[in-house]
Amino acid sequence: DTGVSQDPRHKITKRGQNVTFRCDPISEHNRLYWYRQTLGQGPEFLTYFQNEAQLEKSRLLSDRFSAERPKGSFSTLEIQRTEQGDSAMYLCASSLEGRDFRSYNEQFFGPGTRLTVL
Amino acid sequence: EDQVTQSPEALRLQEGESSSLNCSYTVSGLRGLFWYRQDPGKGPEFLFTLYSAGEEKEKERLKATLTKKESFLHITAPKPEDSATYLCAVCRGGADGLTFGKGTHLIIQP
Repeated sequence: DTGVSQDPRHKITKRGQNVTFRCDPISEHNRLYWYRQTLGQGPEFLTYFQNEAQLEKSRLLSDRFSAERPKGSFSTLEIQRTEQGDSAMYLCASSLEGRDFRSYNEQFFGPGTRLTVL
Repeated sequence: EDQVTQSPEALRLQEGESSSLNCSYTVSGLRGLFWYRQDPGKGPEFLFTLYSAGEEKEKERLKATLTKKESFLHITAPKPEDSATYLCAVCRGGADGLTFGKGTHLIIQP
């Protein structure tokens, strides 16, 4: 399978614990995005990387959240001191910046990591 | 602030009954409008990108159209396997995160 993969698929944790999620993008894609989705809502943008550089952060990304993409390939999203309000599906997407602007932002999503904070 | 509003929130159709889903948007410098399909417990699946008013794209029973203020996803003779939530999203110039609507939950009854 050459699509976007995410690990774990499900995570249950207690309030106050730290959690880390991993995303492996489509291999030739140089852009990687993180979104959060709660029940009945569309995905909300959190942050994105071009290669290893983090270029944009949403104001939704509090200082308890940190994302990395150390070698421009896979990415991790860490949430420190989890709160019940962090319970959501965390989605990763990737895209390829090409010469044709029409392919610039077609983002392909992974299956998501469902986080439950007790 | 970018806004995307989808209607209706939910739609139940009989198999073969054609209909349209609406996506109204407010964005400065639209770079692209995107349609995704999402099945329960899964990530969104890319369907279409539309870049300029008047543009249309088709895929099987789906056809997406774009005006300066809204987009429509037309579903012709739907089948039960078309049941899903359909999400609309926009990307504006100078930013690369997508702004999504809440989606339309579509149910096709046999």
